[in-house]
Amino acid sequence: AQTVTQSQPEMSVQEAETVTLSCTYDTSESDYYLFWYKQPPSRQMILVIRQEAYKQQNATENRFSVNFQKAAKSFSLKISDSQLGDAAMYFCAYRSASSNDMRFGAGTRLTVKP
Amino acid sequence: EAGVTQSPTHLIKTRGQQATLRCSPISGHTSVYWYQQALGLGLQFLLWYDEGEERNRGNFPPRFSGRQFPNYSSELNVNALELEDSALYLCASSRVAGPLRTDTQYFGPGTRLTVL
Repeated sequence: AQTVTQSQPEMSVQEAETVTLSCTYDTSESDYYLFWYKQPPSRQMILVIRQEAYKQQNATENRFSVNFQKAAKSFSLKISDSQLGDAAMYFCAYRSASSNDMRFGAGTRLTVKP
Repeated sequence: EAGVTQSPTHLIKTRGQQATLRCSPISGHTSVYWYQQALGLGLQFLLWYDEGEERNRGNFPPRFSGRQFPNYSSELNVNALELEDSALYLCASSRVAGPLRTDTQYFGPGTRLTVL
């Protein structure tokens, strides 16, 4: 069974600085998708970024980028120029290309200090 | 474009009762997913519906059930409520990108179920 591990329960960053959130996963499959979701106190889960395993290029969305290391089964999220609105729980998620249940990590709570 | 909507926002029930949670997907999305987010336990996959059929089920007892309507909205029913069913229940929707493939899931705001 696929598992997703986020080893940092909490992280903090100074406003305007850069922070990296870690995620590792375990799978025997070669075709899959990886996601980072953000859940602010309002509870709404918001998609931050998505990566297809077959793509070697790391996904980027404005201030958010990933470091996808397929051999190491690592999928970290880098947030540049952190803003107060980035404060939230961040969940890493895995989805096999052959099924549609998502496996989520336990989450990392990010605090942004002004 | 309206996002995924869920109702009610909060639901308080007593042990043994039944709870019904509702979800409306994004227009054009045919797949609906249900997740349970219990405190400190992360998100656990419950159910996946597509085109009115249950496609996949997580490791939950049969008292968790649901259905999808012709307009692709969905209900989650939890029978014989237990205290540990207290959680945030999240619904997500996605398009179908092809055989056995679905697109990115977009989440609703959730329903907070409290069982007393």
